[in-house]
Amino acid sequence: AQSVSQHNHHVILSEAASLELGCNYSYGGTVNLFWYVQYPGQHLQLLLKYFSGDPLVKGIKGFEAEFIKSKFSFNLRKPSVQWSDTAEYFCAVSPSGTYKYIFGTGTRLKVLA
Amino acid sequence: GAGVSQSPSNKVTEKGKDVELRCDPISGHTALYWYRQSLGQGLEFLIYFQGNSAPDKSGLPSDRFSAERTGGSVSTLTIQRTQQEDSAVYLCASSGDVPPYEQYFGPGTRLTVT
Repeated sequence: AQSVSQHNHHVILSEAASLELGCNYSYGGTVNLFWYVQYPGQHLQLLLKYFSGDPLVKGIKGFEAEFIKSKFSFNLRKPSVQWSDTAEYFCAVSPSGTYKYIFGTGTRLKVLA
Repeated sequence: GAGVSQSPSNKVTEKGKDVELRCDPISGHTALYWYRQSLGQGLEFLIYFQGNSAPDKSGLPSDRFSAERTGGSVSTLTIQRTQQEDSAVYLCASSGDVPPYEQYFGPGTRLTVT
């Protein structure tokens, strides 16, 4: 069955620290990949997406993610986090040509000021 | 333009009662999705509708759950004979028909079954 794993459930960092959140998926075909973020009290919103082309994608607020096909991974990175990055982050995979998404269980990030 | 809206924002109900949750998607979006978000469980896919195609109901956890989408727009998720384990936030999302079908989420309905 298709699945998405986010191994870090809770992450606590100090401001200016670097961030990397892991995301691995199990699906043998072509996929579209997404990271969504949910700030406290707000809707889920799209952070970045990979559809095709350059496997290094850049999103809003200085986030980026790299698709490594051989590792079935799509890790999220940010070189220097801010207190305002405190949120829950969800990785999602969608088999190409389909509307269906499979979400990971999320990672709660807390950034200490 | 207006985003996805959901109502009610909060619903408290007694075990055994039926509840209806409503979702208004973004105008023109052809796909509509329902998810359930429980603490520590991430987003659990429930059902999605795409245009006039038969809905994908593969995520509905039991026959107490059903959903419909009228006129290709508004959707209602119905939970019959609610149980305490149904307590969760129910999220609705919609997407257009251009790949990769980016989903836009509503604020959710927090359901509490007492």
